[in-house]
Amino acid sequence: SQTIHQWPATLVQPVGSPLSLECTVEGTSNPNLYWYRQAAGRGLQLLFYSVGIGQISSEVPQNLSASRPQDRQFILSSKKLLLSDSGFYLCAWSVLVWQGTNNSPLHFGNGTRLTVT
Amino acid sequence: GQNIDQPTEMTATEGAIVQINCTYQTSGFNGLFWYQQHAGEAPTFLSYNVLDGLEEKGRFSSFLSRSKGYSYLLLKELQMKDSASYLCAVRLASGGYQKVTFGTGTKLQVIP
Repeated sequence: SQTIHQWPATLVQPVGSPLSLECTVEGTSNPNLYWYRQAAGRGLQLLFYSVGIGQISSEVPQNLSASRPQDRQFILSSKKLLLSDSGFYLCAWSVLVWQGTNNSPLHFGNGTRLTVT
Repeated sequence: GQNIDQPTEMTATEGAIVQINCTYQTSGFNGLFWYQQHAGEAPTFLSYNVLDGLEEKGRFSSFLSRSKGYSYLLLKELQMKDSASYLCAVRLASGGYQKVTFGTGTKLQVIP
């Protein structure tokens, strides 16, 4: 069966410090990978998605970046955190789906709660 | 671009039925999902619609009308544990690329 691992679970970082959140998927090959952020009491904002190694699409211009060095590894980074980067960061995967009726939902990791102080 | 709208909050009584609506305006539509998210936790998958009509899964059902850009999630026999946020999400596809965009969610409170 497929599993997704995301770490750390919680993180407190000072403004201006770097960030690295890691996500790995097991039990599947060539997944679509996603990073979402959820601010307190808000909806999920899509940050990045990737359909393959080295292929990253950015949805929101900001001081965050993403990389996919291996097929099942997705990393979210920042060189200098802002207060506004605080939030609940969620990694997710899905099967690569072409047009059709195939049910391929997103499967989420447990999330990382980031507080920038 | 995409626009997904849901009511912000709803309240319903234990044992009752509640319908949570979602409307969307998108291009390249390739399916609509409903997720449940309890406070402080990751969302969990509830249902998926890509064709018009009703999909039933136990106490939960989801409906889709692509021509109207409209979906709803129906929860029957409400239980206290159903208190959570319900997220509508639309999948957009172009070739092998796909992305999933979420609405802001509907916070449902079930009261005794």
